[in-house]
Amino acid sequence: KAGVTQTPRYLIKTRGQQVTLSCSPISGHRSVSWYQQTPGQGLQFLFEYFSETQRNKGNFPGRFSGRQFSNSRSEMNVSTLELGDSALYLCASSRDSGSEGEQYFGPGTRLTVT
Amino acid sequence: AQRVTQPEKLLSVFKGAPVELKCNYSYSGSPELFWYVQYSRQRLQLLLRHISRESIKGFTADLNKGETSFHLKKPFAQEEDSAMYYCALRTGGTSYGKLTFGQGTILTVHP
Repeated sequence: KAGVTQTPRYLIKTRGQQVTLSCSPISGHRSVSWYQQTPGQGLQFLFEYFSETQRNKGNFPGRFSGRQFSNSRSEMNVSTLELGDSALYLCASSRDSGSEGEQYFGPGTRLTVT
Repeated sequence: AQRVTQPEKLLSVFKGAPVELKCNYSYSGSPELFWYVQYSRQRLQLLLRHISRESIKGFTADLNKGETSFHLKKPFAQEEDSAMYYCALRTGGTSYGKLTFGQGTILTVHP
């Protein structure tokens, strides 16, 4: 089956701009989680969406938001970009039940803020 | 709040030597523990989880609730094991989609 896909793969933005990243989960998966990966902080959980509802949220400012559509595809948005937002953004999808709760990760979107 | 600690940022061993990647966690409840691996230029993927008690690619990990540890072990390291390894914790229930990761350990296996 096709894996998790993320678009775009690379993005360069300027401070103060906003950006939208997209994630398409594996077919049949209803949960989509987002993570930020940086050399200094490692992998940090941003939020999780399940059936179009945000179910869990990490400790990130309100500039980071997301949504999920009825087909389980998800987008995350970062407004008023700061230099510190430069990171690899990963999304992961899962079926969300018992042994099928394994998270499958996408390749990531590399965001550079200048 | 839960926390995962991987004390070694870098670990180097020679091919055929035993390897142990350390992971300690703090969480007051009963967590699920995982090891994820990221090979060069590949995406993050699940290596093993404590509830399945499987051995994947020769790796094993035992959850020690008394010591709150979930160390990853392999008796004979191979060069293809060189990668970044992350220990992760999930608290379960409606938090299925939230993983708390350690900082990761870069394992290098020398020929």
